[in-house]
Amino acid sequence: GENVEQHPSTLSVQEGDSAVIKCTYSDSASNYFPWYKQELGKGPQLIIDIRSNVGEKKDQRIAVTLNKTAKHFSLHITETQPEDSAVYFCAASILGSQGNLIFGKGTKLSVKP
Amino acid sequence: GAVVSQHPSRVICKSGTSVKIECRSLDFQATTMFWYRQFPKQSLMLMATSNEGSKATYEQGVEKDKFLINHASLTLSTLTVTSAHPEDSSFYICSAIDSGRTDTQYFGPGTRLTVL
Repeated sequence: GENVEQHPSTLSVQEGDSAVIKCTYSDSASNYFPWYKQELGKGPQLIIDIRSNVGEKKDQRIAVTLNKTAKHFSLHITETQPEDSAVYFCAASILGSQGNLIFGKGTKLSVKP
Repeated sequence: GAVVSQHPSRVICKSGTSVKIECRSLDFQATTMFWYRQFPKQSLMLMATSNEGSKATYEQGVEKDKFLINHASLTLSTLTVTSAHPEDSSFYICSAIDSGRTDTQYFGPGTRLTVL
């Protein structure tokens, strides 16, 4: 079955700096990769997703890159702000598979003002 | 759009009692809903997949008689923790897939269950 590894487990940056979180997956059939942000005591919120037919997707300060050959994808947050502090989860699934997501273990991002 | 609600947000109960948690898709129809459990500082663990009008599919190791799931309509799924014990204390989160967009899971805000 699919296995998703996520690094680092914790990440601390200064406000204004960039943050990068990386994930690798094992199943080459996976073709949908969402990223979720979870604040303390709340449910995960989808922040960006990418399908395997594109290599990069950007939404304002957030971007995701995908390397299908190497089976890894990354989340990039530029100009970080204190409100970006949260736990971020990557996930992988196969489109049309009823949406079963395999999650990484999460990255706790702390943005220091 | 794509809002999922859960009720209650927090519940405290005594050992041996049952607790029902509701998950609703507010502005879309969801043929499939998922129930997750999350322990502190850990990732989400899928418990079961709930399809409207049919029996839920449980993940290995999840007791279907203890965690009863009902998906009676396209906007509502319920999780009932029966005969709750302190080890059932956890954060329970549901998610739903928009029937019109089958690829994206939208998560509810979660329910914190504490069993005394």
